[in-house]
Amino acid sequence: NAGVTQTPKFRILKIGQSMTLQCAQDMNHNYMYWYRQDPGMGLKLIYYSVGAGITDKGEVPNGYNVSRSTTEDFPLRLELAAPSQTSVYFCASSYPDRAGNTIYFGEGSWLTVV
Amino acid sequence: DQQVKQNSPSLSVQEGRISILNCDYTNSMFDYFLWYKKYPAEGPTFLISISSIKDKNEDGRFTVFLNKSAKHLSLHIVPSQPGDSAVYFCAAVTQGGSEKLVFGKGTKLTVNP
Repeated sequence: NAGVTQTPKFRILKIGQSMTLQCAQDMNHNYMYWYRQDPGMGLKLIYYSVGAGITDKGEVPNGYNVSRSTTEDFPLRLELAAPSQTSVYFCASSYPDRAGNTIYFGEGSWLTVV
Repeated sequence: DQQVKQNSPSLSVQEGRISILNCDYTNSMFDYFLWYKKYPAEGPTFLISISSIKDKNEDGRFTVFLNKSAKHLSLHIVPSQPGDSAVYFCAAVTQGGSEKLVFGKGTKLTVNP
């Protein structure tokens, strides 16, 4: 029972490099999300998707891109990495239910930009 | 502009005692509130929730109280156990779906044996 799987768990990037954080869920959830958590801060929504082929911006989308070609996968692309993108990234998924208790989070990806 | 505020970054209690974690919100349109628990190196996990039509919800050792007039909610853990040591996030949502979940900054609870 994998749930939400994120890779890689840790990554160090140089300024200006690009990378993709992978996220996959095996619960057949329609909704998927990417959050970031900066030290001492709450989770902020970067992008979300309500189904394959549909994505939308969250609170902090600048510097990121997403795609949703399948129900299972929701990769997050960082273009031209900047130190401000040093953070912990969480992917999550849920049923199309307004109740947040159905949101399942991955274990997180620690990204450092130097 | 923080819509969900957890003003205590940390809290330390003795095992067996009550832990009270507080959360304030500013947006009167929020109508569903949740608490998530997060251990180091893990993702947040859902703990307990409450609808704005209620003022209390209980689940075992965990109780959430909601005071709508004060825009305040609290999470009570009784009795506290060392395994409860974690960061607790308060979150709120308005009608429209879980994509609009707004999180507080979290409170780190340490339960001492």
